Amino acid sequence: DQQVKQNSPSLSVQEGRISILNCDYTNSMFDYFLWYKKYPAEGPTFLISISSIKDKNEDGRFTVFLNKSAKHLSLHIVPSQPGDSAVYFCAASASTGFQKLVFGTGTRLLVSP
Amino acid sequence: KAGVTQTPRYLIKTRGQQVTLSCSPISGHRSVSWYQQTPGQGLQFLFEYFSETQRNKGNFPGRFSGRQFSNSRSEMNVSTLELGDSALYLCASSLNAGNLQETQYFGPGTRLLVL
Repeated sequence: DQQVKQNSPSLSVQEGRISILNCDYTNSMFDYFLWYKKYPAEGPTFLISISSIKDKNEDGRFTVFLNKSAKHLSLHIVPSQPGDSAVYFCAASASTGFQKLVFGTGTRLLVSP
Repeated sequence: KAGVTQTPRYLIKTRGQQVTLSCSPISGHRSVSWYQQTPGQGLQFLFEYFSETQRNKGNFPGRFSGRQFSNSRSEMNVSTLELGDSALYLCASSLNAGNLQETQYFGPGTRLLVL
């Protein structure tokens, strides 16, 4: 049972444009959501997070939106840069689950010059 | 501040052997979690340790075990290795200052190949 889903395995965007990565979840106990960026053979790098008490969080070029009623979150990258090319993972956790993160399957973002 | 470190970075073992992987968390972080990444299953939670106690465990067989030391460093052990255990094993640490909504920071991982 995939509790966190990233339905787009890949996304191609031109440099300077907006990248929108989507994530859906099924477990209503999830109350903390994170996005990680990952390069091959490296560990995930934390990008941005959002608590379920918020619907938006911004950090520089990265903004995460949370729609609790739809159980959907998205990561916006504006403007996209070639260095953003990587696999992006959405992850979720529940306060009752201590530090267990449940990850989506990832979306490979390619930003072309 | 140094990040999460994992040793070794690469490991080759044969079926039936056992392996021990090591993780040093970010200084001051008290919670250490382990994840397995494979192409087929993605990133999956193995277990989490805090104050030398396992607090949470994923759906992995008993061949996978771990421990945490008083300095928060952690090790995970896989016994009787199988081909399917070939994966990138990731360690993550978090402060665990009482706020359950905490960010986990990952190490570079140990790439294990079982032949």
